[in-house]
Formats: sequence, C-alpha cells, structure tokens
Amino acid sequence: AQSVAQPEDQVNVAEGNPLTVKCTYSVSGNPYLFWYVQYPNRGLQFLLKYITGDNLVKGSYGFEAEFNKSQTSFHLKKPSALVSDSALYFCAVRDYGETYKYIFGTGTRLKVLA
Amino acid sequence: KAGVTQTPRYLIKTRGQQVTLSCSPISGHRSVSWYQQTPGQGLQFLFEYFSETQRNKGNFPGRFSGRQFSNSRSEMNVSTLELGDSALYLCASSEGGGYGYTFGSGTRLTVV
Repeated sequence: AQSVAQPEDQVNVAEGNPLTVKCTYSVSGNPYLFWYVQYPNRGLQFLLKYITGDNLVKGSYGFEAEFNKSQTSFHLKKPSALVSDSALYFCAVRDYGETYKYIFGTGTRLKVLA
Repeated sequence: KAGVTQTPRYLIKTRGQQVTLSCSPISGHRSVSWYQQTPGQGLQFLFEYFSETQRNKGNFPGRFSGRQFSNSRSEMNVSTLELGDSALYLCASSEGGGYGYTFGSGTRLTVV
C-alpha cells in the first residue's frame, strides 16, 4: 500500500536560515508526490509536486523539494526561512490506480523564530 | 476562476443529530474528495466521487455518506452525530491525473 511518513512533528528554525521538512514515501510504481501547506483555520494550499523529470522541483513562495529515488525521500526546502512560513506542512502521495485519492503524511509544524 | 467553496464554514450540532455539508468544486473538476482532519488523527480520507459515482471510500462507519450531483457539486452527510465527529471537514477537487488537489477552506463541525 502507498504511504508517506513525516518523521518530525515540529521543526524550529531561525528566520533567515535554511529549512528542511522531511518526507519519505513507499509506493508501487512511479510516485506522484506533493507538498501542501495549511495556515490556521484554512484548507490546504498546494506548494509543489513531482511527477517526472528533474529531481529538484520548484514551487510557490520560494519552496523547493528534492526527489531522491534511492532514498525514497521528497524533502521540502527553502534557502531562507521567513516568519510567515510558520504553518503546518503535509506531504502526500497519489494512491495507486485510476483514482484521485491521495494519502497524506501526519504533518510537520514549522515554526520560524524571529 | 473561483476556488473550492464549502458551506457552512462553522457548524455546531448536538449529539444524535445529523448534518449535511456542501462543496462546490472548481468549474471543470469532476473529482471531489472529502477528508476529516482532527488533531489526533491527522487527515483521514472519507470518500471520493467522480462523475456522480463513489470511486473510493475510507474506513469510516456507515453514518458517513456522500453524493455528487450532475454539476459536480458534492454533499456529505453524517447521521447520529457523536462527540468524536467534531473535526474540520475538508473538500478537495481535482481535474485528474497528476494535478493534485485544490482544497476548500473547510467546515468546522463541533458536536456538543
């Protein structure tokens, strides 16, 4: 079965420092991988996705993610964190087959400290 | 174009009652999925509809049901509400393939 894991419940980083939010996956076949961000009392917002092509994917708000097939990882990164990046981040993988069901990780709360 | 619209935004119900939540997807999106989000369980998949047919269902009791109309709008219904049903219910629509979801802002249901 498809699955994703986000090993960190919370990540703290100082403003201006680089940030990484980790995600590993387990899929049958080629993965469709996504990152979403959620601000308080809001739905999830799409950040970026990997389907095929370059392993480094660039997304919204200066975020990027690196697809690593050998390590089955899809870590979210940003070179310089902003206080406004503080939010809940979810990694997701599309389930196998002709379906639009997505499986989400448990979420990582990012706290950027001023 | 307009995003995914969920109504109502907030709802307070009494245990034992039933509730209906509504979701209007982005125009042209035929797939609508529903998720329950709670602090303890994270995002739990409820069901997915495509062209008025339920294609996937998560591990929720039969009290949770849904439907999709010909215009792709979807509703989910929870009968005999329990305190544990208090959650943020998120609707997401997709145009398919690898495009991912667009989420609505959710309906916050509180059962008292």
